[in-house]
Amino acid sequence: DAGITQSPRHKVTETGTPVTLRCHQTENHRYMYWYRQDPGHGLRLIHYSYGVKDTDKGEVSDGYSVSRSKTEDFLLTLESATSSQTSVYFCAISVEGPRSGNTIYFGEGSWLTVV
Amino acid sequence: AQKVTQAQTEISVVEKEDVTLDCVYETRDTTYYLFWYKQPPSGELVFLIRRNSFDEQNEISGRYSWNFQKSTSSFNFTITASQVVDSAVYFCALSEADGGSQGNLIFGKGTKLSVKP
Repeated sequence: DAGITQSPRHKVTETGTPVTLRCHQTENHRYMYWYRQDPGHGLRLIHYSYGVKDTDKGEVSDGYSVSRSKTEDFLLTLESATSSQTSVYFCAISVEGPRSGNTIYFGEGSWLTVV
Repeated sequence: AQKVTQAQTEISVVEKEDVTLDCVYETRDTTYYLFWYKQPPSGELVFLIRRNSFDEQNEISGRYSWNFQKSTSSFNFTITASQVVDSAVYFCALSEADGGSQGNLIFGKGTKLSVKP
C-alpha cells in the first residue's frame, strides 16, 4: 500500500460538463502523475507534477489541466468532458528506493464515463 | 524514441504450467529502468519489479522470475507452476533515468494471462 487515494472511484458525467479527479497521497512524495488507460493503448501519461505548483505535460495532455496546491494532492480537471475522455484514470507516485532508481506506485483507478 | 513491445496479446495455460511473458524495449539512453506490473480483474495496478539498466542480474521472487538481457533489449517474465490467481493482464514499462524522476513510463499494451484450473 503506497498510501494513494483516488476520488471519485466511479463517475458518470455528461458531455460538456467539468470534472475533477483527485489524487491524495499520505507520504509527501515529490513526484505525482496522472495516467489514462484505454483498450488497445495501454497506459499513457497525461500530466505530472514535480512539486507544489510545478507541473508538466505528458503524452496525452490535450483537454486536461492539473493543479497541485499542496504536496499531498494532485488534481486532474477535464474542463469540458468529451466522450473520448471516457477512460480509467490512474494516479501514481514516485518513491525513492534504497538503490538508485525510483519505484512507481499506482492508485486504484477512477472509472470515468462521459455520456 | 522509447518503445515497449509485448507481442503476446493473450496467453492461456493450464494450472501448474510454466509461462513466459515477453517484453522487448527500445531506448537510446544508456541508463533506464524497466518495470513489470500486474493488473488483476479488479483493476488495480500492482508493482512487481523494477530493474536498472546497469544491473543485468536475473531476479527470482517465489514463483516469479525475470530475465533481463541488454544484448536483445528484452526483459522477460516467467511464472513457474502457474496458479489461477495469476490470471491478470501484465504490463511491461520503461522509463529514462531523468524522465520525471522515472515516473514518465512508456507502457507496453499488456499481455492477458488466463490460467485455467
